[in-house]
Amino acid sequence: EAGVAQSPRYKIIEKRQSVAFWCNPISGHATLYWYQQILGQGPKLLIQFQNNGVVDDSQLPKDRFSAERLKGVDSTLKIQPAKLEDSAVYLCASSLLGSTSTDTQYFGPGTRLTVL
Amino acid sequence: QKEVEQNSGPLSVPEGAIASLNCTYSDRGSQSFFWYRQYSGKSPELIMSIYSNGDKEDGRFTAQLNKASQYVSLLIRDSQPSDSATYLCAVNSNTGGFKTIFGAGTRLFVKA
Repeated sequence: EAGVAQSPRYKIIEKRQSVAFWCNPISGHATLYWYQQILGQGPKLLIQFQNNGVVDDSQLPKDRFSAERLKGVDSTLKIQPAKLEDSAVYLCASSLLGSTSTDTQYFGPGTRLTVL
Repeated sequence: QKEVEQNSGPLSVPEGAIASLNCTYSDRGSQSFFWYRQYSGKSPELIMSIYSNGDKEDGRFTAQLNKASQYVSLLIRDSQPSDSATYLCAVNSNTGGFKTIFGAGTRLFVKA
């Protein structure tokens, strides 16, 4: 079974530029998560989709971040314009259901973003 | 108060010893608890999950949960240098909507 795919793996941009990350979850997984992990910290949930609907985006900085999951499969996370503090690893995860507390999340390899 | 708290470490243990990692959480409505291992530069991978009070063993790993004390721990027996990583505690709660909260992680070093 293929895992969660993410691209690109690394990205370096200057502040005020825009950037987009792509994620393809495990086949059949209904729920997709985007996390931000700053060095030395645990992952912080940015947005959670169940199929193509948003379940939780309470920690997404909506003035600069946006995400979509068209057709309920792959997803794109965009930052526009980027700030220095956006430098982090952006992790995508998926789970089979997402609606139960016992659901296991599987993580992709992440995208390391550096904002100069 | 942080929702999920872990000692950042580093925790250093000799090879073959027992490593004990601890985690406390603030939401009494939390129902599921997970331990993830994260090697440097890699993504988190699930190693244990626990849902009810008591101990759960899987190979060299034992997770312990005490909901009354809002405390969950991970024991690693016969620690190996390959266990050196950051261990993340994650807590799932249905209070105010289903969500997963991660702790900041504890760095573990196993000395050969």
